[in-house]
Formats: sequence, structure tokens, C-alpha cells
Amino acid sequence: GAVVSQHPSWVICKSGTSVKIECRSLDFQATTMFWYRQFPKQSLMLMATSNEGSKATYEQGVEKDKFLINHASLTLSTLTVTSAHPEDSSFYICSASKDATNQPQHFGDGTRLSIL
Amino acid sequence: AQTVTQSQPEMSVQEAETVTLSCTYDTSESDYYLFWYKQPPSRQMILVIRQEAYKQQNATENRFSVNFQKAAKSFSLKISDSQLGDAAMYFCAYRITFTGNQFYFGTGTSLTVIP
Repeated sequence: GAVVSQHPSWVICKSGTSVKIECRSLDFQATTMFWYRQFPKQSLMLMATSNEGSKATYEQGVEKDKFLINHASLTLSTLTVTSAHPEDSSFYICSASKDATNQPQHFGDGTRLSIL
Repeated sequence: AQTVTQSQPEMSVQEAETVTLSCTYDTSESDYYLFWYKQPPSRQMILVIRQEAYKQQNATENRFSVNFQKAAKSFSLKISDSQLGDAAMYFCAYRITFTGNQFYFGTGTSLTVIP
């Protein structure tokens, strides 16, 4: 149980394109999901906390107009990288947990974004 | 501020041997959770083991065990009988109990298993 699906796993697109990444909790409801960015050989950097039915909470330094987050249901959060540029190329990972107790985060498989 | 430090960027271990990965954290909270995650080349984050701060007993999970020293704010991971499949990046993570699900990750340790 506790499976998180992330799609797509890899996307290559031209500069200026907007890219949407989906994160789904397949067998549980997640009121909160998290979006991370990971550069090669580095740790996960929290970008934002996605809250179902309300606005996302962004970490300092993350452009909210650049990285649009929508958490429309208890099982789906989306991250849209708007007008992507080569510097946005990275590995993006989402995570969710079942509730606010001692449940660990369950991670999606990540999305490798390459902007040409 | 919560910080998690992994002082060993790279470690190596001979197959079948034991290796210990270090992790220290800084917090003013008394109740929290600690985790070790493994990230193989496939980049998927896999939970290895977790420890509740209120438990004095060290968590174990098959070949994986932790040495949790709350006063020293230390949370090391011991891998016994290392296998080739253990080769991966290992991240230590910290989470406050009652203020949400936000995780704080360490910088990671790259583990190489030598055949």
C-alpha cells in the first residue's frame, strides 16, 4: 500500500514551453503533498507544500508564478513549470503521507525534466 | 531552524561487511521522527528505516539498524552483511511530529559496495 504515482517520468521540451507534472496517491487520500527538486548528486530541496483545496505554500526563493501548484483533489497534485528555460532542467519528485502522525513520506518515482 | 548533516559524502564497503553512515541533526523540538531513505540510480526514494524520538530502543529492519543518541542528536545507520543492491545514495531525514509533514533532508551519502 501507500503508492504514489508520478507522471511523466521523463520529458524533453523546447525552451518557453509549459510542462505539467502529475502526482497521484493511488491507494490513500493525501491532504498534503510535497514537491521537491533535486540537482545531480545533491539532496532534495523542498519547493512547496501542496494543500488540497487551498493555495500551496512555497519555500523561500521559489517563484510561485513559475512553478504553479494545484491540488484539486485528495489524490492529485500537479506542478506546472511555466515558460520553462534550460535552468529549470532538473529532477522533480513529489511525496505524500497518509496523515499527520508517524507515517513516512511516500515518494513518486520522479520526473526528469530537460529543457532544450 | 532544523538542519540535518551527513558528514560523509561518500562511503565504500566490501560486500558482506558492515558499514555505518553518520547523521546529526539540530532541533529544539522534543518530539520528532527520523528516517533513512535510500535512492538507487533509478532515483526512486525508498524508506529504509524510521525512528520515533520518544522511543529509546533503536529501530531495526532486517540488515539495517540505527544508533539513535537523542542527547547527542545523532542518528547513524548500520548496514550489516552489505549486498551489491545496497549501493545507493542514502539520505537522513527529520520531521517534526505535530507541525505537519515537512521533511528536512541531509545532503546524502553515496555508498559503494565493492564485490
